[in-house]
Amino acid sequence: DQQVKQNSPSLSVQEGRISILNCDYTNSMFDYFLWYKKYPAEGPTFLISISSIKDKNEDGRFTVFLNKSAKHLSLHIVPSQPGDSAVYFCAASSNDYKLSFGAGTTVTVRA
Amino acid sequence: NAGVTQTPKFQVLKTGQSMTLQCAQDMNHEYMSWYRQDPGMGLRLIHYSVGAGITDQGEVPNGYNVSRSTTEDFPLRLLSAAPSQTSVYFCASSPSGGRAGYEQYFGPGTRLTVT
Repeated sequence: DQQVKQNSPSLSVQEGRISILNCDYTNSMFDYFLWYKKYPAEGPTFLISISSIKDKNEDGRFTVFLNKSAKHLSLHIVPSQPGDSAVYFCAASSNDYKLSFGAGTTVTVRA
Repeated sequence: NAGVTQTPKFQVLKTGQSMTLQCAQDMNHEYMSWYRQDPGMGLRLIHYSVGAGITDQGEVPNGYNVSRSTTEDFPLRLLSAAPSQTSVYFCASSPSGGRAGYEQYFGPGTRLTVT
């Protein structure tokens, strides 16, 4: 049973608008959360992370929000750019470096 | 600095054949791992290693073996390939210790088809 779930397989957004990607988890032992970005025929690359002691982390156009009580995190991309078109994976870990990944959300940014 | 390299990029095997997927990193990372990516499943951990001579099982280890004789290399062996092992395989590495250990560097992947 998947412990990390991304329930939206795809997202289409207009260039310049906000992209919001959602992720839910079931394991209350998870204490570190990450987002990875993946282009076709490449490996995933680390994008942004958040520790369970925080509820928000921002890095340029990317912001991750964590709601521990709801076991939910989200990634906001503002403004969305064509180069953001990729698959985004949510991942979580419980202090042992083993990552549990969601199924991914494919983001398409329309010009 | 090549990062994480994987060979081959593509491979077709017949059921029952064995092969080794190669993975190497030049960042002196202690932690290395193998994942497989299947449609609708995300990436699932197969095996991992926290240093030379130390390996352990991940979420889906059956049918795979690993060894870690050096810091740089972490090969993944398929003992007797099955169609269920058709997948894209990613190797990853990270420095151990602290939050940096979570932010793993991935190789470009090996696409394996078992017929």
